[in-house]
Amino acid sequence: QSALTQPPSASGSPGQSVTISCTGTSSDVGTYNFVSWYQQHPGKAPKLMIYEVSKRPSGVPDRFSGSKSVNTASLTVSGLQADDEADYYCTSHAGTDNWVVFGGGTKLTVL
Amino acid sequence: QVQLQESGPGLVKPSETLSLTCTVSGGSISGYFWSWVRQPPGKGLEWIAYTYYSGGTNYNRSLKSRVTLSLDTSNNQFSLRLSSVTAADTAVYFCARIISGGAAFDIWGQGTLVTVSS
Repeated sequence: QSALTQPPSASGSPGQSVTISCTGTSSDVGTYNFVSWYQQHPGKAPKLMIYEVSKRPSGVPDRFSGSKSVNTASLTVSGLQADDEADYYCTSHAGTDNWVVFGGGTKLTVL
Repeated sequence: QVQLQESGPGLVKPSETLSLTCTVSGGSISGYFWSWVRQPPGKGLEWIAYTYYSGGTNYNRSLKSRVTLSLDTSNNQFSLRLSSVTAADTAVYFCARIISGGAAFDIWGQGTLVTVSS
């Protein structure tokens, strides 16, 4: 069982927006602004899409955005494109004892 | 640009030690934290451990008793050793760089599948 809870699946049509949630606790998401999101296509390494809740690395389209409220972080993908179809994982810093915890992943389908 | 490449045996026997090396190219290992993450087939990601270029380490508490990280700054490499492996340790193992000042992985290796089987 993963430390952070994500819905197993999400979907949307091209051009639409979809939001993926990531629920933690006051020991991780609720305390630290170190939430990140990764995109993983089949057979590939994960790619960093969002870090520190809402920052985008260079090269990541601004269609990807992140936010946080209390113990739940969210990733929103707007203007869905076929290539956005992938697995998405969230992580959060969880203190020194267990530095980073992952969500179980969400499979995003572009209909 | 910085690239990471994992190397090591793809098959390890139960109870033996898994050993992997990550080679950093296109940049220096100095000044950064470096980490290992694994993914069992068809499952999610799990952070294993990280090491700082000067030698400090931190381990996932569920694996701490079996994991050792080491650095070879002269060859721009860092390594993972996981002892007493079982079938549950079968996974794709990724090495990754930790973003400056944050708890995120900004550069990843392609990953290497390690199967634990007799």
